[in-house]
Amino acid sequence: SAVISQKPSRDICQRGTSLTIQCQVDSQVTMMFWYRQQPGQSLTLIATANQGSEATYESGFVIDKFPISRPNLTFSTLTVSNMSPEDSSIYLCSAYTGDSAYEQYFGPGTRLTVT
Amino acid sequence: DQQVKQNSPSLSVQEGRISILNCDYTNSMFDYFLWYKKYPAEGPTFLISISSIKDKNEDGRFTVFLNKSAKHLSLHIVPSQPGDSAVYFCAASHADKLIFGTGTRLQVFP
Repeated sequence: SAVISQKPSRDICQRGTSLTIQCQVDSQVTMMFWYRQQPGQSLTLIATANQGSEATYESGFVIDKFPISRPNLTFSTLTVSNMSPEDSSIYLCSAYTGDSAYEQYFGPGTRLTVT
Repeated sequence: DQQVKQNSPSLSVQEGRISILNCDYTNSMFDYFLWYKKYPAEGPTFLISISSIKDKNEDGRFTVFLNKSAKHLSLHIVPSQPGDSAVYFCAASHADKLIFGTGTRLQVFP
């Protein structure tokens, strides 16, 4: 299993600014992911954070808008750039440890409101 | 294109009775299916999973059934308890990625 923490837990930001969300796992993990959950919607995968290389983005998400870093096997950051009110969502980090088939562990999420 | 669908946004069940949550999918390439539970202000927590080569998996009060021909899975909770009240997401896995349904809010009342 893995315990995941995220910072900040919530933030209110102004349009046009950027916010960096941190994700820390208590053990080394094989894969880390970033999701977005818009109000009343499902969890949507933004990207897979690759250790030591560029993240792999899903359709509809681009690096310029959501730059991701993963400097080691326990830490990753997601930046939401040039924010607009449409970016108001919960952003979740998850990790896959490889212990059991495709089971991912999730952080508590970062609730972002853009005004 | 919603590949994983939960058509019931909410479900209300009396304590002690059975809760049945349903999920449909469209992609026959999915190889694992998982259920997650989510409380407010917390991340989803893993509940139970099933391989696409099986049709049933049981863990305590939770049982997941998979009908591949119908591309349908269901989660049974017996008996339901007030602490089960949460949003339940089904998810399907392919190529190391999870695709989530929209969730069903379960309320278990006394």
